[in-house]
Amino acid sequence: DSGVTQTPKHLITATGQRVTLRCSPRSGDLSVYWYQQSLDQGLQFLIQYYNGEERAKGNILERFSAQQFPDLHSELNLSSLELGDSALYFCASSVSSGGVDTQYFGPGTRLTVL
Amino acid sequence: GESVGLHLPTLSVQEGDNSIINCAYSNSASDYFIWYKQESGKGPQFIIDIRSNMDKRQGQRVTVLLNKTVKHLSLQIAATQPGDSAVYFCAEPLPYTGNQFYFGTGTSLTVIP
Repeated sequence: DSGVTQTPKHLITATGQRVTLRCSPRSGDLSVYWYQQSLDQGLQFLIQYYNGEERAKGNILERFSAQQFPDLHSELNLSSLELGDSALYFCASSVSSGGVDTQYFGPGTRLTVL
Repeated sequence: GESVGLHLPTLSVQEGDNSIINCAYSNSASDYFIWYKQESGKGPQFIIDIRSNMDKRQGQRVTVLLNKTVKHLSLQIAATQPGDSAVYFCAEPLPYTGNQFYFGTGTSLTVIP
């Protein structure tokens, strides 16, 4: 158990809908990262937040957005869903120790868009 | 029918044998590298890291070797067990991004009992 929690574990929805994925980082970790993992794309970085502020953006679509709240939990919002958005979505939080920034991953949310 | 998906390198080993999983990296300026293990349906799990000023690092049943000359990493698992069956990724920090990582496609390890 990494200490990172994600809800829900599974989500099934229809095209055009909007969903929210939730992540709670490990206690004390200020950084939260979101990743998408699909069968044909591997693990793709979406976005990073640090202590409530957006720190870095990766391959995140404009239909997707995220935020990190004062209690450090984060939400990833996916809207106007398309079939191709079906994937595993992982959240990770990180701690920096001795110059090595290790990311610890949650169990993921499996999103199925029908 | 045709299968769609990443064509992961695969490795099959007998239980009790040693496994060696390889990874090529691209950024010679990376300060460190991390190995992750991902079991089916689960999130990637940290295994071990190695700093760029090291050639070798050992953990519990695992050893990482770093060859900077050819930009190559390997993860050696001793006495491989069925629970080691998973996809293994090496991750390197992307240049000029602080702590964003590039995760390779991974290697699928299957342990045969």
